[in-house]
Amino acid sequence: GAVVSQHPSRVICKSGTSVKIECRSLDFQATTMFWYRQFPKQSLMLMATSNEGSKATYEQGVEKDKFLINHASLTLSTLTVTSAHPEDSSFYICSARRGVVQETQYFGPGTRLLVL
Amino acid sequence: GENVEQHPSTLSVQEGDSAVIKCTYSDSASNYFPWYKQELGKRPQLIIDIRSNVGEKKDQRIAVTLNKTAKHFSLHITETQPEDSAVYFCAASKPTGFQKLVFGTGTRLLVSP
Repeated sequence: GAVVSQHPSRVICKSGTSVKIECRSLDFQATTMFWYRQFPKQSLMLMATSNEGSKATYEQGVEKDKFLINHASLTLSTLTVTSAHPEDSSFYICSARRGVVQETQYFGPGTRLLVL
Repeated sequence: GENVEQHPSTLSVQEGDSAVIKCTYSDSASNYFPWYKQELGKRPQLIIDIRSNVGEKKDQRIAVTLNKTAKHFSLHITETQPEDSAVYFCAASKPTGFQKLVFGTGTRLLVSP
């Protein structure tokens, strides 16, 4: 199979704090991981593409200094929401792709972030 | 960039009926079209996908058709069941760059017993 885990599943934090979300591919090596944000009753919006050993590529309008992405190994990518504010509250989902040839993206279970 | 439109936004059917969801894409270079099912609060799960060298693909009650000329593709669910109720997303990607998926806006399918 192709299993992707995400941790934590749910986090509540105070405004101004930073939150780190981990995304792991459990049974395969992921050369590329993607981070999405999904607001209630909306579609998935790609935030950034993360490649192992290189800098993430951010989508237009996504602040790279606010959403720090690190892809230190072929099985782990992290997203850190720095100085979180209530408007950052959302469902954050990662996905992983196994190979370099166009292939299916497997999604993690998501992290629900609530900033008070 | 690529733009994917999806219709309808909501679809209500009776159990046993068929359901059809349609998507159009703008970039003729797109060649991979997956469909994902997402239940409330859960991860999107791939249910079927199609590549541009194929016009139709079927997996039990689910089928996808692709019309490259018109740049649209559709999801067909036959003999719907209440457990098919969910939000369905279509997506498209190109074979270049990071092969990012561009998602449609989603269709909320409700199957009534």
